[in-house]
Amino acid sequence: KNEVEQSPQNLTAQEGEFITINCSYSVGISALHWLQQHPGGGIVSLFMLSSGKKKHGRLIATINIQEKHSSLHITASHPRDSAVYICAVRNRDDKIIFGKGTRLHILP
Amino acid sequence: GAGVSQSPSNKVTEKGKDVELRCDPISGHTALYWYRQSLGQGLEFLIYFQGNSAPDKSGLPSDRFSAERTGGSVSTLTIQRTQQEDSAVYLCASSLRGEYWDYEQYFGPGTRLTVT
Repeated sequence: KNEVEQSPQNLTAQEGEFITINCSYSVGISALHWLQQHPGGGIVSLFMLSSGKKKHGRLIATINIQEKHSSLHITASHPRDSAVYICAVRNRDDKIIFGKGTRLHILP
Repeated sequence: GAGVSQSPSNKVTEKGKDVELRCDPISGHTALYWYRQSLGQGLEFLIYFQGNSAPDKSGLPSDRFSAERTGGSVSTLTIQRTQQEDSAVYLCASSLRGEYWDYEQYFGPGTRLTVT
């Protein structure tokens, strides 16, 4: 079992829908990152979380340390949000562990 | 200002040859990270620099891999005696602060390495 699990693996939705991508981890962590990788391969760091909630535009990220779970939400989704979303954690041994990613496809 | 740049963007090399990949971080960024992404696979962390120092090299896949950073700026990742399993996209990222991985990272476009 991977130490970082993302769900769903793939998600197709209509433009305008509210999107939730989940990340669960089985190790103690000091930080969690959400990354976005576009079809061309470029990676953008969306959020770094160690507690609570962060919001940037239509994107919201939350983390529950006790439940070892984080969610990434996209409101009013748009085709340009189509990408792979990757969750990654830094564990207590300072190892960085990546989830396998969630491939999101927003239909116009 | 300019983002993180990497060179070359593509590299095709024969098995057994050495390759050197370069990363130019954003000016003033003290932390620098190397990752790789094999075809169809997830991201894998390789090494982290705080200034010119790499506190932990255990993420490097084998002793054929080495990395250095000079002047707190440019970093090179060297792969000796390349093998086909080294084929991947090698990504570099930098962040303003040096506290390990706890700040927003800015990624370069990557170097696609193909070992034939």
